[in-house]
Amino acid sequence: DIQMTQSPSSLSASVGDRVTITCQASQDISNYLNWYQQKPGKAPKLLIYDASNLETGVPSRFSGSGSGTDYSFTISSLQPEDIATYYCQQYDNLPRLTFGPGTKVDIK
Amino acid sequence: EVQLVESGGGLVQPGRSLRLSCAASGFTFDDYAMHWVRQAPGKGLEWVSGISWNSGRIAYADSVKGRFTISRDNAKNSLYLQMNSLRAEDTALYYCAKLSPVSWGQGTMVTVSS
Repeated sequence: DIQMTQSPSSLSASVGDRVTITCQASQDISNYLNWYQQKPGKAPKLLIYDASNLETGVPSRFSGSGSGTDYSFTISSLQPEDIATYYCQQYDNLPRLTFGPGTKVDIK
Repeated sequence: EVQLVESGGGLVQPGRSLRLSCAASGFTFDDYAMHWVRQAPGKGLEWVSGISWNSGRIAYADSVKGRFTISRDNAKNSLYLQMNSLRAEDTALYYCAKLSPVSWGQGTMVTVSS
């Protein structure tokens, strides 16, 4: 089974800061990686698919990159509405999925 | 508009069973694999089970293997999760989800407690 590690588990940054979250797979997942944002009481919202493609309607301050086993997610200028928990998810061996443990983002 | 609507959650005693349903609309249901994902209170997302479009490929998380059974009825545009031998650690919000494009339901809460 593919395992996903994600770091950091939490972070606190100022409005306008650049924030980066990393996700590492236990094997090559060929860019089959999604990034989600989840706010309390809400279902996860897709932000990035196929590692680097911005979902329609998502602000351009969100971006993703990476390949093989190593991926990253960046918020170029943190906004107050970005307070949430962010998850990576691999889908290289469907119908099996794996989520990262999540990164909680707060405003300093 | 794509809609996934889960139902069937509730309070159940340890060791008992529950069947969750997910009603799909707004897309061609039998074109897509479907998944169940859960989230325990205050915890992260955990994939539970997935099923291919024709039920030919099925997978389970180790935590539920042997106790949960996923199935689908393409004629009824519905996904199911039969949960047996429920444990306290199965307490969670259960989501129905599809990929490519991604859609999630709003979830149905399962509480396992005596």
